[in-house]
Amino acid sequence: GAVVSQHPSWVICKSGTSVKIECRSLDFQATTMFWYRQFPKQSLMLMATSNEGSKATYEQGVEKDKFLINHASLTLSTLTVTSAHPEDSSFYICSARGLYYGYTFGSGTRLTVV
Amino acid sequence: AQKITQTQPGMFVQEKEAVTLDCTYDTSDQSYGLFWYKQPSSGEMIFLIYQGSYDEQNATEGRYSLNFQKARKSANLVISASQLGDSAMYFCAMSGAGTASKLTFGTGTRLQVTL
Repeated sequence: GAVVSQHPSWVICKSGTSVKIECRSLDFQATTMFWYRQFPKQSLMLMATSNEGSKATYEQGVEKDKFLINHASLTLSTLTVTSAHPEDSSFYICSARGLYYGYTFGSGTRLTVV
Repeated sequence: AQKITQTQPGMFVQEKEAVTLDCTYDTSDQSYGLFWYKQPSSGEMIFLIYQGSYDEQNATEGRYSLNFQKARKSANLVISASQLGDSAMYFCAMSGAGTASKLTFGTGTRLQVTL
């Protein structure tokens, strides 16, 4: 079946630094990638949608300069949290969709900013 | 805009019993999909079952079945013969038509299976 590999699984970074999260579709071409954020005991909130080779579309209230999304190839999308602050600590998870595939989720990344 | 409502923050069920998790939705789209996901404490999203808006039969996947009532806009998940490993968070979600359509999630139901 379709597999999306997400790395790292968890990361701790200092306030003010940047963190990059990668999602790779291993056995299919991800034409669309969705990035979600989930705070403890809450639901998944969509941050942005990206199509391969195009700029990402951000949801209302999500700072595009802070959460940089790159979807340069059909198998790789990255989310970079720039100048991270403690309030950015959260669980980030990607979901990829290909032409003939449903939504395949990565395993998620727990980000802690100290 | 699409909206998913899950009114049960938490549910308890005894092992080997069946349980129904409620989900209602709202959309103006004619074509849409309904999904259920399980999220254990590890955080991964495990796909359980899918129902298309034009599917006339209720979807079933092993112990999971989706009770789809289109006129009432409900898509309840039924888990039969509950197991301790079923304890997790369960999310109902919906999508519109097209591969670029996003998934909209409900607030989730935490299921606890007891002995």
